Amino acid sequence: EAGVAQSPRYKIIEKRQSVAFWCNPISGHATLYWYQQILGQGPKLLIQFQNNGVVDDSQLPKDRFSAERLKGVDSTLKIQPAKLEDSAVYLCASSQTGGLAKNIQYFGAGTRLSVL
Amino acid sequence: DAKTTQPNSMESNEEEPVHLPCNHSTISGTDYIHWYRQLPSQGPEYVIHGLTSNVNNRMASLAIAEDRKSSTLILHRATLRDAAVYYCILRDVTSGSEKLVFGKGTKLTVNP
Repeated sequence: EAGVAQSPRYKIIEKRQSVAFWCNPISGHATLYWYQQILGQGPKLLIQFQNNGVVDDSQLPKDRFSAERLKGVDSTLKIQPAKLEDSAVYLCASSQTGGLAKNIQYFGAGTRLSVL
Repeated sequence: DAKTTQPNSMESNEEEPVHLPCNHSTISGTDYIHWYRQLPSQGPEYVIHGLTSNVNNRMASLAIAEDRKSSTLILHRATLRDAAVYYCILRDVTSGSEKLVFGKGTKLTVNP
């Protein structure tokens, strides 16, 4: 079974530029999450989708971050414009809906963003 | 979200058992105890979860105190590949939110 795919693995941009990250969840997983992980800390949820609807975006800085999940499969996370404090690893995860298996989230390897 | 407390770091030797503690004194009756680990340069991966009874799977065992205020993740024979940050997370399955709230976790070093 293929895991959660993310691209790119690394991205370096200058502040005030824009950047986009892509995620392809495990096939059949209805729920998709984007987390931000700053160096030395645990991941923090930015946004959660159920199919193509947003379930929780309470911690997404909406003035500069946006995310979409068209057709309920792939998702993109965008930052525009980027700030220095956005330097972090952006992790995508997915999970099933229903049953005990829905309790397990599967993570991709992440995209490491450096803002200079 | 109920909080957990873990040691910042622990060390073990290869092929010896490792006991990773987690305190969660404010746990509620509907909180499940989840453990994830994060190997270097990778995303977190699920290890195990439980509610009240001790749990075993191919990766580890989870021992839950009778009052549920603490738990211990047990790796029976540590290998170099087990060197990672281990996160203990409480999830209230009745809250409607499936998000994971990560702390800083315990960084496990395994010595050869």
